[in-house]
Amino acid sequence: TQLLEQSPQFLSIQEGENLTVYCNSSSVFSSLQWYRQEPGEGPVLLVTVVTGGEVKKLKRLTFQFGDARKDSSLHITAAQPGDTGLYLCAGSNNAGNMLTFGGGTRLMVKP
Amino acid sequence: SQTIHQWPATLVQPVGSPLSLECTVEGTSNPNLYWYRQAAGRGLQLLFYSVGIGQISSEVPQNLSASRPQDRQFILSSKKLLLSDSGFYLCAWNRLTNTEAFFGQGTRLTVV
Repeated sequence: TQLLEQSPQFLSIQEGENLTVYCNSSSVFSSLQWYRQEPGEGPVLLVTVVTGGEVKKLKRLTFQFGDARKDSSLHITAAQPGDTGLYLCAGSNNAGNMLTFGGGTRLMVKP
Repeated sequence: SQTIHQWPATLVQPVGSPLSLECTVEGTSNPNLYWYRQAAGRGLQLLFYSVGIGQISSEVPQNLSASRPQDRQFILSSKKLLLSDSGFYLCAWNRLTNTEAFFGQGTRLTVV
């Protein structure tokens, strides 16, 4: 089983601050996804990255896939209270599209 | 458009009772189907996945089982629930050629 480790596990910041969440593995993934989950609901996809070194931006969120496709980062600029939630990374390999999820980063943005 | 239905939303069951959670997908055929369990505020633990009718792969040995009697139906079961089976259970699907996963709303199971 491929493992994905996310850090930090918890993050509490003030509105307007920047933050970075990391997702690391010793395994190579064909693609990596980031999800955001609200309490009591299922995760919702934010972005998929498939190419080593790829950078994608979604408004104030910047996602990067490592050159070796073993790690990824999510950077949020000028965080807002609406960014509060659980952020999950998930990796997929070429041996069938089974998704392996990281442990999640719980983000709280205080106004 | 594709939709995924998972029910019930919440369930309180006594220890030793059976369990049956159902998940159905509409608007697509031959999806990959998954059951995940999530501890409070943490990541998703893959329990079972299925690439076709009657094909079930188990990731973690436990008190649970899964079945796929129809192409778009995935059922999570237990003959006798344990306290440790409490948690938030999520059903999900994706396509072979597109790895984006779509999740149901989840079932909050409390074993008492």
